[in-house]
Amino acid sequence: KQEVTQIPAALSVPEGENLVLNCSFTDSAIYNLQWFRQDPGKGLTSLLLIQSSQREQTSGRLNASLDKSSGRSTLYIAASQPGDSATYLCAVRRAQAGTALIFGKGTTLSVSS
Amino acid sequence: GAVVSQHPSWVICKSGTSVKIECRSLDFQATTMFWYRQFPKQSLMLMATSNEGSKATYEQGVEKDKFLINHASLTLSTLTVTSAHPEDSSFYICSASEGGEQYFGPGTRLTVT
Repeated sequence: KQEVTQIPAALSVPEGENLVLNCSFTDSAIYNLQWFRQDPGKGLTSLLLIQSSQREQTSGRLNASLDKSSGRSTLYIAASQPGDSATYLCAVRRAQAGTALIFGKGTTLSVSS
Repeated sequence: GAVVSQHPSWVICKSGTSVKIECRSLDFQATTMFWYRQFPKQSLMLMATSNEGSKATYEQGVEKDKFLINHASLTLSTLTVTSAHPEDSSFYICSASEGGEQYFGPGTRLTVT
């Protein structure tokens, strides 16, 4: 059974810092991996999608890497801002297109000004 | 990008009543939709996979007679919480796949009093 773990559970940093969020999964047979952002009481915003054949994806100040063989992904946030404060969720899709995502519990990030 | 809507965004109901939540893919057709539940400070847990024109597939531990899912068309799936109880109070989120990526609705906050 696929399990997704995110470390740390919570993180507080001052504005401007670069930071790394970690995600690990137990079954390396994944179709793809997605990082999401969730603001309190809100739905999900997709940040980055990495296909199983890819090593990384970048969007603005965000960079996500994937090491499928070791079952790990990292989300790198450069020059953090207070507006980045949210919960970041990592999710993997099983090795078939159209199957559901399995989520980690998330990392709650707080960026102070 | 693809858009998924949910209605209502929040609902309060009395214990013992039933509540229907709608999930629509607005600009694409989805043969498969997914229903997730999120308790406070917890991650998203997959409840069931909704297949157009056939019965839903429920995850272990989810009561199919309590959480009725109907996928009547390629753009609409509904989740009905029957005989709701306070422990069913949660955030319910649906998603649909298109092009290998999952798109999430904004969620429905259910409070059962």
